Amino acid sequence: GAVVSQHPSWVICKSGTSVKIECRSLDFQATTMFWYRQFPKQSLMLMATSNEGSKATYEQGVEKDKFLINHASLTLSTLTVTSAHPEDSSFYICSARGDGSGETQYFGPGTRLLVL
Amino acid sequence: QKEVEQDPGPLSVPEGAIVSLNCTYSNSAFQYFMWYRQYSRKGPELLMYTYSSGNKEDGRFTAQVDKSSKYISLFIRDSQPSDSATYLCAMTLSDGQNFVFGPGTRLSVLP
Repeated sequence: GAVVSQHPSWVICKSGTSVKIECRSLDFQATTMFWYRQFPKQSLMLMATSNEGSKATYEQGVEKDKFLINHASLTLSTLTVTSAHPEDSSFYICSARGDGSGETQYFGPGTRLLVL
Repeated sequence: QKEVEQDPGPLSVPEGAIVSLNCTYSNSAFQYFMWYRQYSRKGPELLMYTYSSGNKEDGRFTAQVDKSSKYISLFIRDSQPSDSATYLCAMTLSDGQNFVFGPGTRLSVLP
């Protein structure tokens, strides 16, 4: 199946700093990438959808100035958590859909963010 | 009514049991149906991917779609402790838009 990687797998940072998470589709071109966050024992919460070369579409309640998404190429999307605070601590997961993936989404392994 | 409903569990079964996981949905326009497995602190892993009604088998896993009843199932035969995870159903329209997940069912297979 299609492979999606995410980096870093975990990050600890101080409050007020910005953190960038990368999501890459390794063996297919991802025309659409999705960013989710997940709290312990809860389901996935879609944050935003991005199409290559376009601005991301954010879900209601997600601050676009807080969570900056860039999908500059068909294999890379980045999520930057700006001025992170402890309440931003969560598990962030990306997924990708595109040529070779059919109509489904393939997920990255996730990034665990802890803001102190 | 939620767009996709799924029994959250937790569901505990003994090793070797047959497990049935189910989702119901309200939008009859959904065409593609998927099951994902998510281990703790990991991203979801695609298990099964089916189009429209019918059955699909892959090893110990069988996915079943009944569009007339708006009901999908995932069966796990000869369940193993390594199957212990959260299982998420997902579905989407014919153009891949409006991708919707169920809340997930936590499964524990006890040795």
